[in-house]
Amino acid sequence: GQQLNQSPQSMFIQEGEDVSMNCTSSSIFNTWLWYKQDPGEGPVLLIALYKAGELTSNGRLTAQFGITRKDSFLNISASIPSDVGIYFCAGQSVVSNTGKLIFGQGTTLQVKP
Amino acid sequence: DAGVIQSPRHEVTEMGQEVTLRCKPISGHNSLFWYRQTMMRGLELLIYFNNNVPIDDSGMPEDRFSAKMPNASFSTLKIQPSEPRDSAVYFCASSKPGTGEYGYTFGSGTRLTVV
Repeated sequence: GQQLNQSPQSMFIQEGEDVSMNCTSSSIFNTWLWYKQDPGEGPVLLIALYKAGELTSNGRLTAQFGITRKDSFLNISASIPSDVGIYFCAGQSVVSNTGKLIFGQGTTLQVKP
Repeated sequence: DAGVIQSPRHEVTEMGQEVTLRCKPISGHNSLFWYRQTMMRGLELLIYFNNNVPIDDSGMPEDRFSAKMPNASFSTLKIQPSEPRDSAVYFCASSKPGTGEYGYTFGSGTRLTVV
């Protein structure tokens, strides 16, 4: 079945550092989404990307929809302690018409003050 | 909108007991998804509904699991009988596909512990 490979699996960084994580798929996607999950809560949508090559920012977060439509990255600049959590990429395949998303395995981010 | 509402937030039950998890999707969302999250396996899609109809239940672990969506505003996930390996956080999510809004909105989850 379709899979998303998300990397890195975990990161432990110093406050103020920039962070980068990415996802690759084995098939073409028409939508890429990035979610963040805080401890004890459900994932919350951060950024949605709908066009190949699209680059979108949300505050200190920047995400891009890869030109090949098989990858996406998320960057966080100047990390702060509240950035701690699990970040998931998700995508919708071009063959899906029911809104079903495929999720990556998640990147666990820890920030040291 | 209050978002996706799940109940209970926490459930502790003894092995062999029946467990029912509940979900109220966002009004107007016509797709509903049940996920299970564990440290070992991450987020697993169990089943999803489109317009109250189950579309894909291939992720349901076994016959002990069942899900229903009797109307557009309510869904249940039932485990009978429950086993310790069912301990996990169960999330419900809803979305409104077909309008360009592909993102799911997740509930806060139900943390299930089977002892």
